[in-house]
Amino acid sequence: NAGVTQTPKFRILKIGQSMTLQCTQDMNHNYMYWYRQDPGMGLKLIYYSVGAGITDKGEVPNGYNVSRSTTEDFPLRLELAAPSQTSVYFCASSPSGGAREQYFGPGTRLTVT
Amino acid sequence: GESVGLHLPTLSVQEGDNSIINCAYSNSASDYFIWYKQESGKGPQFIIDIRSNMDKRQGQRVTVLLNKTVKHLSLQIAATQPGDSAVYFCAENTNAGKSTFGDGTTLTVKP
Repeated sequence: NAGVTQTPKFRILKIGQSMTLQCTQDMNHNYMYWYRQDPGMGLKLIYYSVGAGITDKGEVPNGYNVSRSTTEDFPLRLELAAPSQTSVYFCASSPSGGAREQYFGPGTRLTVT
Repeated sequence: GESVGLHLPTLSVQEGDNSIINCAYSNSASDYFIWYKQESGKGPQFIIDIRSNMDKRQGQRVTVLLNKTVKHLSLQIAATQPGDSAVYFCAENTNAGKSTFGDGTTLTVKP
């Protein structure tokens, strides 16, 4: 199993541009999550999904959108990128709810200038 | 509000010594408490968790202690090795599908 994969690994955006961060898992997990991690800080939950077709907001959802059309994929969309969205983004999946047994991808480092 | 925090941002230990990383939490309703290890440039990796109705759980070279009276969580690493150098996060599962992470403690193991 590849586990959780994320693309791209790095990206530089200009203010106002949009992009989609891709996340795919091959473990047939129902739960998927998007976090952002600012330098020297912990992870903040952006959005999560408990199954295909179901998404919900986390702690810091403003400026982001998600969709979950399949069990495997959970893309994160940034509209009108702002410097405050400069961060490392992690996708994770879990066979159950909550932080137990969450499996993280390698992250996407995003810089907005 | 909900918060999970760590007492010390950095910890330096000698190889072979035991390490203790602490965490304070504020939400008494949390179901699980989890420790993650994050190596440089990688995503967090699950180490061990403990359910709220337990006070101690042991894994391979690691032990997690939960003191609900003072809302304190600790991770003990026995015989710390250079490969244990990383940032350690505690996380708190407050609701199904949501979790709250602390800011992390950087553990440095000196050879």
